[in-house]
Amino acid sequence: QSVLTQPPSASGTPGQRVTMSCSGSSSNIGSNYVYWYQQLPGTAPKLLIYRNNQRPSGVPDRFSGSKSGTSASLAISGLRSEDEADYYCGSWDDRMSGQWVFGGGTKLTVL
Amino acid sequence: QVQLVQSGAEMKRPGASVRVSCETSGYTFTDYYMHWVRQAPGQGLEWMGWINPTSGATNYAQKFQGRVTLTRDTSITTGYMELSRLTSDDTAVYYCARIEDFWGQGTLVTVSS
Repeated sequence: QSVLTQPPSASGTPGQRVTMSCSGSSSNIGSNYVYWYQQLPGTAPKLLIYRNNQRPSGVPDRFSGSKSGTSASLAISGLRSEDEADYYCGSWDDRMSGQWVFGGGTKLTVL
Repeated sequence: QVQLVQSGAEMKRPGASVRVSCETSGYTFTDYYMHWVRQAPGQGLEWMGWINPTSGATNYAQKFQGRVTLTRDTSITTGYMELSRLTSDDTAVYYCARIEDFWGQGTLVTVSS
């Protein structure tokens, strides 16, 4: 299983606000930045949030990230049908001379 | 603009090796580690390792130790991932990435007899 823990699924209706969590430990989220990726079907992951809460240019401000202790969250407000995708969190892990770890991913369904 | 362009799909027999390339442009190749990530059909992202393009130092996930080799050619700003002793469980899309931002388009590797 994955080092970071994410719920396997989440859902919401258009216009709603949804949040998804990412839980880790002191060696990863607790001491490093968290990154969030969106993966649409059949495409490569796309960076959504970097350094806990920063949005790359072009990412709508409907997407926001936060971190507290060894956990992080991704929030999507004003949910849209095109937000239906898989969402992954990732972080450096200070063990083993610095490796990267992912969560197992959350599949978001827009009802 | 930053680009990571990977080589095309591969089909391999069990026991064989595969090498995937990742040609970069739009940035200073030696300024960013290159990571490799794979995704089996219907599964999540699995980190395989990184290479420091400046020194050639590598760090591999324990699961792939002894089977994966990451290399680079700084003269052509290209990274390579070689995976040996393939089994059907290695069937996946393999990505190179500047893990904190840009990703390649992915390369499908199919292992089948």
